[in-house]
Amino acid sequence: GNSVTQMEGPVTLSEEAFLTINCTYTATGYPSLFWYVQYPGEGLQLLLKATKADDKGSNKGFEATYRKETTSFHLEKGSVQVSDSAVYFCALSLLSDQGGSEKLVFGKGMKLTVNP
Amino acid sequence: GAGVSQTPSNKVTEKGKYVELRCDPISGHTALYWYRQSLGQGPEFLIYFQGTGAADDSGLPNDRFFAVRPEGSVSTLKIQRTERGDSAVYLCASSSLDSREQFFGPGTRLTVL
Repeated sequence: GNSVTQMEGPVTLSEEAFLTINCTYTATGYPSLFWYVQYPGEGLQLLLKATKADDKGSNKGFEATYRKETTSFHLEKGSVQVSDSAVYFCALSLLSDQGGSEKLVFGKGMKLTVNP
Repeated sequence: GAGVSQTPSNKVTEKGKYVELRCDPISGHTALYWYRQSLGQGPEFLIYFQGTGAADDSGLPNDRFFAVRPEGSVSTLKIQRTERGDSAVYLCASSSLDSREQFFGPGTRLTVL
């Protein structure tokens, strides 16, 4: 089946620290990969995505590269800010033959707290 | 513009009762997804609509769960004979055929006592 495994945390960092959140996946086909973020009191938001091997998604200083050979999509940021405190979810989707469903399969999420 | 909205934001019910959760997708989005997020877990897929029809209901856990989208816009997730294990945050997402990015609503937190 399709699944996503990610670092679970929680993780606490100081402002300007380097961040890596590991994510690996198992998929029966060729998935698209995503990082979603959930800020306190808000809904899930797409942070970045990549749809094919070696693609790099980037947004708000975060980056992740689709590595097919290692089935990974690790999230990195060089210098975190207090405003990056949130829960981060790695996810994949596969285009299904069931009516074009692109249901997302999520990891368990990782809570990040950044202290000033 | 308006995002995905869900009502109620919180619902407390007793074991055995029936509940309905509502989702208003972004206007013009033809695809609608329901997910369930238990405490400490990532969201899990329940059902997908393309237009009015449930094109993929493979994530519904059992026949107590049912969802409709009669006019291809608003959707209602219905849970019969609720159990304590149904307690979770129920998320709705919608997407367009063009971008296919799923936009999530704030969720309904269901608590079954």
